[in-house]
Amino acid sequence: DIRMTQSPSSLSASVGDRVTITCRASQGIDNYLAWYQQKPGKVPKVLIYAASTLQSGVPSRFSGSGSGTDFTLTINSLQPEDVATYYCQKYNSAPQTFGQGTKVEIK
Amino acid sequence: QVQLVQSGGEVKKPGASVRVSCKASGYIFTDYAISWVRQAPGQGLEWVGWISPYKDIANYAQKFQGRVTLTTDKSTSTAYMDLRSLRSDDTAVYYCARAGSGWPTAWFDPWGQGALVTVSS
Repeated sequence: DIRMTQSPSSLSASVGDRVTITCRASQGIDNYLAWYQQKPGKVPKVLIYAASTLQSGVPSRFSGSGSGTDFTLTINSLQPEDVATYYCQKYNSAPQTFGQGTKVEIK
Repeated sequence: QVQLVQSGGEVKKPGASVRVSCKASGYIFTDYAISWVRQAPGQGLEWVGWISPYKDIANYAQKFQGRVTLTTDKSTSTAYMDLRSLRSDDTAVYYCARAGSGWPTAWFDPWGQGALVTVSS
């Protein structure tokens, strides 16, 4: 099975900072990559799919890039409401594996 | 609007079985697969499997093969997850989620509210 590895596991940044989270697949998955945000005590919600397509209603400070095995989620100008754990997920085929998550906090 | 509403939390003893339901509304139920994902306390997301309500075809994570069964009831637009031989490490919030497109292995959107299954003697 393809493994999804995120880095870092956690980060702390200041409001207004640019934050970058990476996700690496152990084999190529084209652009079949989604990013989810899970706020504390809440249900996950999709931010980005097809590696770079922003889900309707998601703020434009979120962006995604990458293809093949290396992917990036960027938050431009981190806001207090962005405190959450972020997960990548591959969905080219089953199993639709998630990365282990990246916890984002405000410094 | 598209919505998935799950059944409530359950407390089960080791060795028992549990059924979690997921009632869909706001779209044509047979047009989109439903996946199940679980999250143990303080842990990450783990995919359990998906089912296509149109063809009643299911695909399970190898880890759960033989212990989980996914089914649907098209008359009520409800998906079900049955998990057997429960162990303490099955304690988790179980989510259902709809495929984001017509392909069964698409991204997940939206998600149900989750159902906490607690396994304890």
